[in-house]
Amino acid sequence: DTEVTQTPKHLVMGMTNKKSLKCEQHMGHRAMYWYKQKAKKPPELMFVYSYEKLSINESVPSRFSPECPNSSLLNLHLHALQPEDSALYLCASSTTGGSRDNQPQHFGDGTRLSIL
Amino acid sequence: QQQVKQSPQSLIVQKGGISIINCAYENTAFDYFPWYQQFPGKGPALLIAIRPDVSEKKEGRFTISFNKSAKQFSLHIMDSQPGDSATYFCAAHTVRAQKLVFGQGTRLTINP
Repeated sequence: DTEVTQTPKHLVMGMTNKKSLKCEQHMGHRAMYWYKQKAKKPPELMFVYSYEKLSINESVPSRFSPECPNSSLLNLHLHALQPEDSALYLCASSTTGGSRDNQPQHFGDGTRLSIL
Repeated sequence: QQQVKQSPQSLIVQKGGISIINCAYENTAFDYFPWYQQFPGKGPALLIAIRPDVSEKKEGRFTISFNKSAKQFSLHIMDSQPGDSATYFCAAHTVRAQKLVFGQGTRLTINP
């Protein structure tokens, strides 16, 4: 079991639907991340939150909208997605927040998203 | 300059053998190098990590060798077991950029 919990594990949605992915961690980490991973490829960074503030947006389309309600929770709101958005969406967290002491990113098991 | 190049793409090793995966980077600002193991249907799990001021780090059957001057690092899995069959990603990180740059991954298969 990972210490980063993601729900739901699987999600099938139509292109006109609105849904949200949720991520929770209780390790006291102040940096949280969203990644997208296509089959047989490495994870691609989408967003970084540091101390609940968006610090990095890797030019992600606006149909993906992140939200960090508190230090333990991270959401990804989805709207009007395209079939090419079908992928595994991974959440990660770390203690890194500008400190020189690098700490590893801990990943959840992801949400497998399929867009019909 | 942000790339991490990983090889081979796939690797088949007999049980009990040594699995070796190599990575190379260009950006000298990278200051932390983790390896992740990913099983199908799971997220990447941290396996072992190293800083560039250390030439080797060993944890159980897993060893990272780091060559700072060549800007290369590698993962060695000793006494490889079928349970080690997974995809392995090397990565590089800078605190300043808050980003992990991943290699393209190696699909490792350990034959019984």
